[in-house]
Amino acid sequence: DSGVTQTPKHLITATGQRVTLRCSPRSGDLSVYWYQQSLDQGLQFLIQYYNGEERAKGNILERFSAQQFPDLHSELNLSSLELGDSALYFCASSVWWGGSTDTQYFGPGTRLTVL
Amino acid sequence: GNSVTQMEGPVTLSEEAFLTINCTYTATGYPSLFWYVQYPGEGLQLLLKATKADDKGSNKGFEATYRKETTSFHLEKGSVQVSDSAVYFCALGNNDMPLGVDMRFGAGTRLTVKP
Repeated sequence: DSGVTQTPKHLITATGQRVTLRCSPRSGDLSVYWYQQSLDQGLQFLIQYYNGEERAKGNILERFSAQQFPDLHSELNLSSLELGDSALYFCASSVWWGGSTDTQYFGPGTRLTVL
Repeated sequence: GNSVTQMEGPVTLSEEAFLTINCTYTATGYPSLFWYVQYPGEGLQLLLKATKADDKGSNKGFEATYRKETTSFHLEKGSVQVSDSAVYFCALGNNDMPLGVDMRFGAGTRLTVKP
């Protein structure tokens, strides 16, 4: 158990809908990262928040957004969902701002299925 | 840009066989290198890491040495067990982005160990 929790575990929805994925980092960790894992794209970094502020952006679509709250939990919002958004979404956390030596601890993931 | 290339799987071995999973990288600057493992239905777990050239990361019998001259970070284990069956990801973390770390993952190598 990494100490990172994600809810829900599974989510099934329809195209065009909007969903929110939630992540609670390990106690004491200030950074939260979001990743998308799909069969064709592999594991892709989406976005990072550090202590409430956006820190780094990867391959995140404009239909997706995230935020980190004062209690450090984070939410990833996916809107206007398409079939291709079906994937496993992982949250990870680390202690600091994300320096190259910073270890990221991953949650169990949320499996999103768009029908 | 930064990238990681790891050997394609799947890899199937008998128990107690020697394991090598190749990983090479392309990066500017001084990245850190990681191996993560993903067991079925779970998130990624850090297996080992190395933060500078010639460092050797080790954990649970697995080893990998950061070779700057060959830009490689191959994973090895002398005697695999059935419980090592999982997907292994090589990853690179580089302080490339203006405010954060650019984290890249390889495509993953699925290992199956048979009794």
